[in-house]
Amino acid sequence: DQQVKQNSPSLSVQEGRISILNCDYTNSMFDYFLWYKKYPAEGPTFLISISSIKDKNEDGRFTVFLNKSAKHLSLHIVPSQPGDSAVYFCAASKAAGNKLTFGGGTRVLVKP
Amino acid sequence: DAGITQSPRHKVTETGTPVTLRCHQTENHRYMYWYRQDPGHGLRLIHYSYGVKDTDKGEVSDGYSVSRSKTEDFLLTLESATSSQTSVYFCAIRSEGKVQKTQYFGPGTRLLVL
Repeated sequence: DQQVKQNSPSLSVQEGRISILNCDYTNSMFDYFLWYKKYPAEGPTFLISISSIKDKNEDGRFTVFLNKSAKHLSLHIVPSQPGDSAVYFCAASKAAGNKLTFGGGTRVLVKP
Repeated sequence: DAGITQSPRHKVTETGTPVTLRCHQTENHRYMYWYRQDPGHGLRLIHYSYGVKDTDKGEVSDGYSVSRSKTEDFLLTLESATSSQTSVYFCAIRSEGKVQKTQYFGPGTRLLVL
């Protein structure tokens, strides 16, 4: 029973356009959400996070949106760059920094 | 870079042999975690530690044990390796920032059990 799901295993986007990654969760006790980026042969790198008291958090080209009623979060990357090509994981926890539950990942390919 | 190193980075072993993976951190973080990454499953928590000699199980702890005898080192042991434990293993620490507490990951250990 996956509590955090990323239903799109892959995404292809043209350089300069917007990338939208989606993530759904089932556990209403989750109150802190994170996105990680992972290149091959490296560990995941923290990108951005959001607390359940907010519905949006922005950091440069990256924005995370949280819809608590739908138990859905999304990551927007604008504009997409070739260096953004990686696997992106969403993760959730019941308290900030506590045990993380990850989605299965979405592989993003940004075409020049 | 959260000052995390993992050793070995790659290992090939045979079924039934014991294997120990090491995670080392240099910034005195209290919380440390072991995850495994498998296709389609993302990362899954194996065990975590909230201090020296204080550990607890995660989602997929069967077949694994851990030890933390000093703050900087967190060891993961496969008592008798099986082919299902072929995976990439990541160690993480938890930052203790005031605004948010986020986990930061090491570079990973790729383990192949034949």
